[in-house]
Amino acid sequence: DGGITQSPKYLFRKEGQNVTLSCEQNLNHDAMYWYRQDPGQGLRLIYYSQIVNDFQKGDIAEGYSVSREKKESFPLTVTSAQKNPTAFYLCASRMDRVAPQHFGDGTRLSIL
Amino acid sequence: AQSVAQPEDQVNVAEGNPLTVKCTYSVSGNPYLFWYVQYPNRGLQFLLKYITGDNLVKGSYGFEAEFNKSQTSFHLKKPSALVSDSALYFCALGLMEYGNKLVFGAGTILRVKS
Repeated sequence: DGGITQSPKYLFRKEGQNVTLSCEQNLNHDAMYWYRQDPGQGLRLIYYSQIVNDFQKGDIAEGYSVSREKKESFPLTVTSAQKNPTAFYLCASRMDRVAPQHFGDGTRLSIL
Repeated sequence: AQSVAQPEDQVNVAEGNPLTVKCTYSVSGNPYLFWYVQYPNRGLQFLLKYITGDNLVKGSYGFEAEFNKSQTSFHLKKPSALVSDSALYFCALGLMEYGNKLVFGAGTILRVKS
């Protein structure tokens, strides 16, 4: 069954700690995206990658980092520089230019 | 600037009645528009898209959307609402020149009461 898998579903971060959110897809999609969802604000783009070994900053990249070493994987690291990391994080992928993005089921990150 | 507005935080409708969830957009060039639905603690599910062609777009689960260029709107509609349609709905604008990133509206909560 093809899809996008995000793990873990829930994650807790201590002050000063970096945490990494996993996103894996078996859809053979070239492009992948990370969004942050806050109540009442919709989704905002953090980073995106159109091909392996290449990625671009989105609208709110500060305090986050990504890598794209494999086509199927696009992990997101929330660094200690991100002062307000509590949010629901969604990963998405897309097949071609006019195709809709497919979303994973998200990771909810909270501060301990 | 490219943007999406969903003017209603919440829409309430009785089961069996028609529903409309409003969306307006601002973009230079041709718009690529999408509707997604989100259930609690889940990801977004694609409902329908407008790229070009007919102004009335049909999508999943009986939903449709009407594209109106002069009013820069893309309202989501369904002739007969179900209680199971209750969810959070997002309108999104696709930006081809920026890696096809999506610009989302703030979302509209749809509540269908039996």
